[in-house]
Amino acid sequence: QLQLQESGSGLVKPSQTLSLTCVVSGGSISNSDYPWSWIRQPPGKGLEWIGYIYHSGGTYYNPSLKSRVTISVDRSKNRFSLKLNSVTAADTAVYYCARNIVEVVAATGSLSRWFDPWGQGSLVTVSS
Amino acid sequence: QSVLTQPPSVSGAPGQRVTISCIGSSSNIGAGYDVHWYQQLPGTAPKLLIYANNNRPSGVPDRFSGSKSATSASLAITGLQAEDEADYYCQSYDSLTWVFGGGTKLTVL
Repeated sequence: QLQLQESGSGLVKPSQTLSLTCVVSGGSISNSDYPWSWIRQPPGKGLEWIGYIYHSGGTYYNPSLKSRVTISVDRSKNRFSLKLNSVTAADTAVYYCARNIVEVVAATGSLSRWFDPWGQGSLVTVSS
Repeated sequence: QSVLTQPPSVSGAPGQRVTISCIGSSSNIGAGYDVHWYQQLPGTAPKLLIYANNNRPSGVPDRFSGSKSATSASLAITGLQAEDEADYYCQSYDSLTWVFGGGTKLTVL
């Protein structure tokens, strides 16, 4: 059973860089045709997709965060990482990693995109 | 401001049926992109509940069902149970990004 586990700095000072890692177990990032994503949820608020990475290293970021985000992959350790620079209090959130599923659904014949599974989440607080 | 619009809260008594709406636009749901639903129990990560509009992953009770039409989608829960009390999020695709609704808090009375 595929499982994802986030880890990283829980407290980051304003203007510094947030760093998180997601370790994948029960499956190999290298053998996956699907990309791997980061998603965040500010306290008491909704979900925001940050970006994804393929095992090849190809990335795509949410335009709203693109200038500050870097996602990388370490296939030898079966993990991928998030860096978000120049953080402010607005970046305080629970950060989740998740696998993207991108498949043609038989019933509709169209390409469909969702997230499954998710990690348990890692709270990052931005404060001095 | 979320791209997809959900009611902030809904409620129902045990055994009742409730629905949660997810309203999009011509650039996401209306463009033909599928809608997916997640359940987030208190203090936990979101979990896939419905994928591709109306498909349930293995292990999800058939009390949960989804539908989609034009620029909106709905999640229906029948035979409401106390354990269904959670936040529910819809998700679709828009302009090369994955987008979510703001979430709906379901209270079981």
